[in-house]
Amino acid sequence: KQEVTQIPAALSVPEGENLVLNCSFTDSAIYNLQWFRQDPGKGLTSLLLIQSSQREQTSGRLNASLDKSSGRSTLYIAASQPGDSATYLCAVPGTDSWGKLQFGAGTQVVVTP
Amino acid sequence: DVKVTQSSRYLVKRTGEKVFLECVQDMDHENMFWYRQDPGLGLRLIYFSYDVKMKEKGDIPEGYSVSREKKERFSLILESASTNQTSMYLCASRPANPFTDTQYFGPGTRLTVL
Repeated sequence: KQEVTQIPAALSVPEGENLVLNCSFTDSAIYNLQWFRQDPGKGLTSLLLIQSSQREQTSGRLNASLDKSSGRSTLYIAASQPGDSATYLCAVPGTDSWGKLQFGAGTQVVVTP
Repeated sequence: DVKVTQSSRYLVKRTGEKVFLECVQDMDHENMFWYRQDPGLGLRLIYFSYDVKMKEKGDIPEGYSVSREKKERFSLILESASTNQTSMYLCASRPANPFTDTQYFGPGTRLTVL
């Protein structure tokens, strides 16, 4: 069974620093890897989806890389801002017909002014 | 923009009550999902539906049932609410292809069962 791990569980950085969030998965036979953001008490917002054939995906200050062979993805957030404070979750779909998402536990990020 | 709405943001119910949580999406997505999220346990899939009137059990279906009579609406039913069903409930929808499409989440319903 696919296991998705995110380390660290929590991270605090001063404003302006670059954020580096890690996600690892045990089964490299993935179709894609997805990053989500969750604000306290709210639903999840999709940030990036990297297909298995891609090495990275970018959206504004966000860049996600994918290394299937080593079972790792990294989300980089450049020049962090207090508004980036949230929990970031990664997820991979299972290889069954339904592609049910397997989520990591998330990394809680605090960006201090 | 895709919009997924949930009928209530906060709900307080008594043990033994029948509880309905409603989810509506406006993007004609085939797939819909119900999750619960608890501290230390993360997101867990309760049920999902891949088409109207079709449903599949997720990882923790016990104590829950679902209904999908129309494509845009997916309901989660707690037949007899219990205190261990106090949780944050999240609904999501997704187009048909699970391997290229992401999921779109609603704002969540915080359910407290007393």
